[in-house]
Amino acid sequence: EAGVTQSPTHLIKTRGQQATLRCSPISGHTSVYWYQQALGLGLQFLLWYDEGEERNRGNFPPRFSGRQFPNYSSELNVNALELEDSALYLCASSLTINQPQHFGDGTRLSIL
Amino acid sequence: AQSVTQPDIHITVSEGASLELRCNYSYGATPYLFWYVQSPGQGLQLLLKYFSGDTLVQGIKGFEAEFKRSQSSFNLRKPSVHWSDAAEYFCAVGAIGGGADGLTFGKGTHLIIQP
Repeated sequence: EAGVTQSPTHLIKTRGQQATLRCSPISGHTSVYWYQQALGLGLQFLLWYDEGEERNRGNFPPRFSGRQFPNYSSELNVNALELEDSALYLCASSLTINQPQHFGDGTRLSIL
Repeated sequence: AQSVTQPDIHITVSEGASLELRCNYSYGATPYLFWYVQSPGQGLQLLLKYFSGDTLVQGIKGFEAEFKRSQSSFNLRKPSVHWSDAAEYFCAVGAIGGGADGLTFGKGTHLIIQP
């Protein structure tokens, strides 16, 4: 069974640009979570999607947004990129909200 | 607000020695607790989870953890470490599946294995 897959592996952008990160959950999983792992800040919860709806978001500005598609895959969009957005972005999925989260290998976003 | 403390930023253990990684949590309701491991350049792999029931839980790769409600702790143990165990270890707390607020993670403990 394929795990959570994320693309691209690495993404290099400049300040002010927009970035799109993609995530495919484990087959059958309907919940998708996004986390930011920035140096010195640890893992922080970004967004939670379930059944195509945004259910909750962490303490991040509105320029962090996303969506979940009918096949449960998800996109994370970051607008007006800033230097401090440089981080590893991890996607996780769970079968339901009552099951553990399983993580992908992440997308490394570097802002120049 | 929920929080997780991993007091040890780095731990160095000799190969074959026993290991204990500490985790203390603060959570308003009954906690659901997890340990994840992250190798360099990779995502997080679930080692074990505690939802309810037996307070000693077994995980993959020979790891176990014990939930102690009175001490708000969920320490990870392994009787004999292998060089391949060198990695970053994260303790996390939350509702099952993350719930409304996602998982709250500790800052991590970097495990170094000496030959």
